[in-house]
Amino acid sequence: NAGVMQNPRHLVRRRGQEARLRCSPMKGHSHVYWYRQLPEEGLKFMVYLQKENIIDESGMPKERFSAEFPKEGPSILRIQQVVRGDSAAYFCASSPGLTSNQPQHFGDGTRLSIL
Amino acid sequence: AQTVTQSQPEMSVQEAETVTLSCTYDTSENNYYLFWYKQPPSRQMILVIRQEAYKQQNATENRFSVNFQKAAKSFSLKISDSQLGDTAMYFCAFMKHDINNDMRFGAGTRLTVKP
Repeated sequence: NAGVMQNPRHLVRRRGQEARLRCSPMKGHSHVYWYRQLPEEGLKFMVYLQKENIIDESGMPKERFSAEFPKEGPSILRIQQVVRGDSAAYFCASSPGLTSNQPQHFGDGTRLSIL
Repeated sequence: AQTVTQSQPEMSVQEAETVTLSCTYDTSENNYYLFWYKQPPSRQMILVIRQEAYKQQNATENRFSVNFQKAAKSFSLKISDSQLGDTAMYFCAFMKHDINNDMRFGAGTRLTVKP
């Protein structure tokens, strides 16, 4: 029973490059959430997606950040032209969706380091 | 908007003793869920305990229990017989009981269990 799968676990990028973070939700889950955890801080909500739809992106910076959850394949969090301040752990979580009252299940996170 | 406050950035406890982590939240909702997550140095997010707001009885999971005071909007976590493996960041989280299942986290409390 695979949980939420995130890859890569660690990602190193130079300033100005693009970072792509992937998240495969648990089987049967159609809702995906992305969170960012800055060093020594709590999790900050970024974006909530269902298949092919962005439901809430209120926590995502307006520039350089985008997210998608296509009909087929994993959810992608894309950060363009990365800067040092983007260094953080990015967690993905999934839940079954509309009728569920279950908490979100988290992946192990992707640690993004910007050189 | 919901907010979750953890007023203790750091705490420590001697092995085998009891420690209580504080959490308060602000919401106008009546139906919701509360959670405590543990994040050990490995950075995984582990669900420790959950509480449904409509339940009067405080949730317990082995050495972990909560003191849920709905009127005061307080949700503290008590860890009994602390073990070295309990050393971790602990996050309190709030989830509205609606179709979005959006969760909001506190900033976390770093707990150190001393031998």
